[in-house]
Amino acid sequence: RKEVEQDPGPFNVPEGATVAFNCTYSNSASQSFFWYRQDCRKEPKLLMSVYSSGNEDGRFTAQLNRASQYISLLIRDSKLSDSATYLCVVPISGGYNKLIFGAGTRLAVHP
Amino acid sequence: DAGVIQSPRHEVTEMGQEVTLRCKPISGHDYLFWYRQTMMRGLELLIYFNNNVPIDDSGMPEDRFSAKMPNASFSTLKIQPSEPRDSAVYFCASSDGMGRFTSGGGRDTQYFGPGTRLTVL
Repeated sequence: RKEVEQDPGPFNVPEGATVAFNCTYSNSASQSFFWYRQDCRKEPKLLMSVYSSGNEDGRFTAQLNRASQYISLLIRDSKLSDSATYLCVVPISGGYNKLIFGAGTRLAVHP
Repeated sequence: DAGVIQSPRHEVTEMGQEVTLRCKPISGHDYLFWYRQTMMRGLELLIYFNNNVPIDDSGMPEDRFSAKMPNASFSTLKIQPSEPRDSAVYFCASSDGMGRFTSGGGRDTQYFGPGTRLTVL
């Protein structure tokens, strides 16, 4: 099993739609998790951090299920500007600074 | 504030040549990371430094790769000799984290530079 697994997509959704991505991780000792966003030919940027059961920031909600070892990202009311690749990121146990990046889920929002 | 600065932004070289990538972290950040991103392998951590000292270089692919951080504001990643399979985007990132998680993505957040797109012919 890969350390971090994501559905690569692409997810093609119309503006205004709600879309959810899932991510599974193998290290049950991981305590904190992140979603990064990467636009085409740009660098990754932090979107959200997840520590407890979840986190919400405007249209974005991240949820954590420790028992099943998965993290989800929900985007409500999708905008054209949400089109990007979303990377699920898990620190290696015992070392926050070593991050394992998932391969990413591509989202395309169309008019 | 200036973000992480990398140079060059693009590098095209021939197999066997030496390549040097440069990074200037955000001022005040004491962690610096080098990553490589390819379509096949995604984003991989190569090495990271804390206070200019290499902490973990287990991701460095082989002896052809070396990284240095002579001071708090500068780091290099060198490939000698380069090979076509080294073609990738190389990112540098920095953070001021101390290993603590912050739900708001505060001081432990890794900030990435724009990357260097390397092509080895």
